[in-house]
Amino acid sequence: DGGITQSPKYLFRKEGQNVTLSCEQNLNHDAMYWYRQDPGQGLRLIYYSQIVNDFQKGDIAEGYSVSREKKESFPLTVTSAQKNPTAFYLCASKGQGEQPQHFGDGTRLSIL
Amino acid sequence: GQSLEQPSEVTAVEGAIVQINCTYQTSGFYGLSWYQQHDGGAPTFLSYNALDGLEETGRFSSFLSRSDSYGYLLLQELQMKDSASYFCAVNGGTYKYIFGTGTRLKVLA
Repeated sequence: DGGITQSPKYLFRKEGQNVTLSCEQNLNHDAMYWYRQDPGQGLRLIYYSQIVNDFQKGDIAEGYSVSREKKESFPLTVTSAQKNPTAFYLCASKGQGEQPQHFGDGTRLSIL
Repeated sequence: GQSLEQPSEVTAVEGAIVQINCTYQTSGFYGLSWYQQHDGGAPTFLSYNALDGLEETGRFSSFLSRSDSYGYLLLQELQMKDSASYFCAVNGGTYKYIFGTGTRLKVLA
């Protein structure tokens, strides 16, 4: 079945460590997104990409980095510069036109 | 600035009808989406309105008034499984979406 796969489901980060969250989609969608969700809050956009080899910063990009080398993949790296990384991270993709976003199951990141 | 406003919490009983409102203020507007999110889960798409009027999908309906920058999600014949958070989101153009802070719906037996 087509969908979006995020891994791992749970991730723990040590102080000063960079960690990478995986997001893969087989929906043939051009656009992909990363959101951060804190407890009881809405979704805040970290980065998004409309096409391969191109991406734009969202509202809270500081301390994060992304790459889009393949259409299917949009990994997010949480760097040591992100001082408060504990959150639920959601990846989404979207087809062309007035199509809705579809979300992966998320990765829950915590600090050790 | 750009913002979407929703009530933080709504409570209703099983079998009832509930309406969750969303007002928005954005620099661009292509459409209004609604998502459902159960605790610990990912958001799932419910409905989308690009034009004024009512869209119906089973027990859920969504309404949009572009002139009023307002929309709502209507849930009928409430069931316990409808207890979740509901988010409205505006497609502001250029693939960028803005989400509201969510409305927590509690359905009581």
